[in-house]
Amino acid sequence: DTGVSQDPRHKITKRGQNVTFRCDPISEHNRLYWYRQTLGQGPEFLTYFQNEAQLEKSRLLSDRFSAERPKGSFSTLEIQRTEQGDSAMYLCASSLVPSTDTQYFGPGTRLTVL
Amino acid sequence: AQTVTQSQPEMSVQEAETVTLSCTYDTSESDYYLFWYKQPPSRQMILVIRQEAYKQQNATENRFSVNFQKAAKSFSLKISDSQLGDAAMYFCAYDRRNNNDMRFGAGTRLTVKP
Repeated sequence: DTGVSQDPRHKITKRGQNVTFRCDPISEHNRLYWYRQTLGQGPEFLTYFQNEAQLEKSRLLSDRFSAERPKGSFSTLEIQRTEQGDSAMYLCASSLVPSTDTQYFGPGTRLTVL
Repeated sequence: AQTVTQSQPEMSVQEAETVTLSCTYDTSESDYYLFWYKQPPSRQMILVIRQEAYKQQNATENRFSVNFQKAAKSFSLKISDSQLGDAAMYFCAYDRRNNNDMRFGAGTRLTVKP
């Protein structure tokens, strides 16, 4: 059983460019979450999916951010017109509800906006 | 809103000794989960231990145990027989049942001295 995987692990981009990250959850996990973690802080919730439905979005998720999970398996997080303040680690997690409420995290994608 | 507070930004412990990391949280819910996650440098976050609020018995996982005081809204982590591999950031997290918005503390950086 492979864990949560994320791609790419690192992304450097110039301000104003669009970036897209991918997350592959643990197979059969029905929930998928996105978090943002800045240096020295704990992760902050961005959004989550139950299967393919996006059920909640944080106020941190501005209009420049969009997430999809089209087939209820992998998910993508796109940031349009990146800003320097978007520089952070983007973490993905998955869980299987109602069997367990434990979220399992991927290694993250570190975004640097120049 | 639920908040999680970790009042110790840094802690250190001598190898083979015991250390306790503190966490307090604020909630009006009665049914929730509490977690301790470990994040080694440049590595992914892994679950250390979890506690269900309706269970009075404190959770234990090998050298890791918690002191869960529901009335005081306190959830400390005790690491016994500390090992060099325990060095990491430790995050306390809170989540309501049927999780959808897990909240993390700011973390405690644990150093283990040989």
